[in-house]
Amino acid sequence: AQTVTQSQPEMSVQEAETVTLSCTYDTSESDYYLFWYKQPPSRQMILVIRQEAYKQQNATENRFSVNFQKAAKSFSLKISDSQLGDAAMYFCAYRSEGAQKLVFGQGTRLTINP
Amino acid sequence: NAGVMQNPRHLVRRRGQEARLRCSPMKGHSHVYWYRQLPEEGLKFMVYLQKENIIDESGMPKERFSAEFPKEGPSILRIQQVVRGDSAAYFCASSPRDNPREKLFFGSGTQLSVL
Repeated sequence: AQTVTQSQPEMSVQEAETVTLSCTYDTSESDYYLFWYKQPPSRQMILVIRQEAYKQQNATENRFSVNFQKAAKSFSLKISDSQLGDAAMYFCAYRSEGAQKLVFGQGTRLTINP
Repeated sequence: NAGVMQNPRHLVRRRGQEARLRCSPMKGHSHVYWYRQLPEEGLKFMVYLQKENIIDESGMPKERFSAEFPKEGPSILRIQQVVRGDSAAYFCASSPRDNPREKLFFGSGTQLSVL
């Protein structure tokens, strides 16, 4: 079974600085998808970024980018120019090519200091 | 498009009562997924349904929990004889097709508190 591990329960960063959230996963599959979700206090799960395992190029969405290292099974999220609205829980998630369900990590609580 | 609607947002039940959680997927979405989030943890998959069919219930507890997605109306997650350990946030997500490339849209969840 696949597992997702986020080793940083909490992180903090100064506003306008850059922060990197770590995620590692375990799988024997070669085709899969990786995601980062943001969960603000409203509880709404918001998709931040997605990466297909067959793509070597790292995904980027505005201030958000990932460092996908397939051989190391690592999928970190970099947030540039941090803003107060980025404060939230961030979850890393895995989805197999042939499966419907997402496997989530434990989450990292990100605090932005003004 | 109103998004995935879950109600109630908060539900309080006493031990032994029944809890019914509702999820209306986005318009045009026929695939529904239920997840449970215990305090300070990530979401855990419970069940995946298409209209009138349960496709994958590998994450559902064997007893007291059931789910349905009828032809008409919302998807229902039903918990019978609730216990304190059932206290959690329950999330519903929907997609138009069963395809990993499709984006999943999540509701805001139902917070179940068992007294």
